[in-house]
Amino acid sequence: DAKTTQPTSMDCAEGRAANLPCNHSTISGNEYVYWYRQIHSQGPQYIIHGLKNNETNEMASLIITEDRKSSTLILPHATLRDTAVYYCIVRGYGGSQGNLIFGKGTKLSVKP
Amino acid sequence: GAGVSQSPRYKVAKRGQDVALRCDPISGHVSLFWYQQALGQGPEFLTYFQNEAQLDKSGLPSDRFFAERPEGSVSTLKIQRTQQEDSAVYLCASSLALTGPGELFFGEGSRLTVL
Repeated sequence: DAKTTQPTSMDCAEGRAANLPCNHSTISGNEYVYWYRQIHSQGPQYIIHGLKNNETNEMASLIITEDRKSSTLILPHATLRDTAVYYCIVRGYGGSQGNLIFGKGTKLSVKP
Repeated sequence: GAGVSQSPRYKVAKRGQDVALRCDPISGHVSLFWYQQALGQGPEFLTYFQNEAQLDKSGLPSDRFFAERPEGSVSTLKIQRTQQEDSAVYLCASSLALTGPGELFFGEGSRLTVL
């Protein structure tokens, strides 16, 4: 079973920041938080991952709370092309421990 | 192309037919995963290869499902005597890393419809 809890759906206005929350209260010390997204009819796409520090790349920022029990993915200026299902995943590493266990994700709708 | 390639993109099978789905991972990627995604659900793990070795097949739903990766690159997922409940998108993902939190790269999937 997925070790994360996410809202089922969210709306965001185009050009505004989209903040997607995720709870992972049972995360272990060696597990990472990963975010993937899936645009309709495509395979999942990697966005970002982190262990305990905040991370930023060209796509998004990841804010992880100090106790690591929750995190927020931030898309700073959402566009219509960011409409997708966003998956927050807790993941170990090494062999099939590196497998991604997907939940149902958050369906983000970016509206004009 | 440089990404994970899957074929066919779409497959329609009559119930009872055998199907084979192919995955070409990114060159040099050691790890390969197969997932099954039913409509409206997140992808679910089927099986994992490290090079040619199938190290985890705990997600395969029945003995009608079989996967192989004989030379450690291309992989084939075979489904025998297909049933309607096998209708889903089958996703393949590959990763360079053996250890460490390597990124998984996904193909666009093969959509199987069993009539």
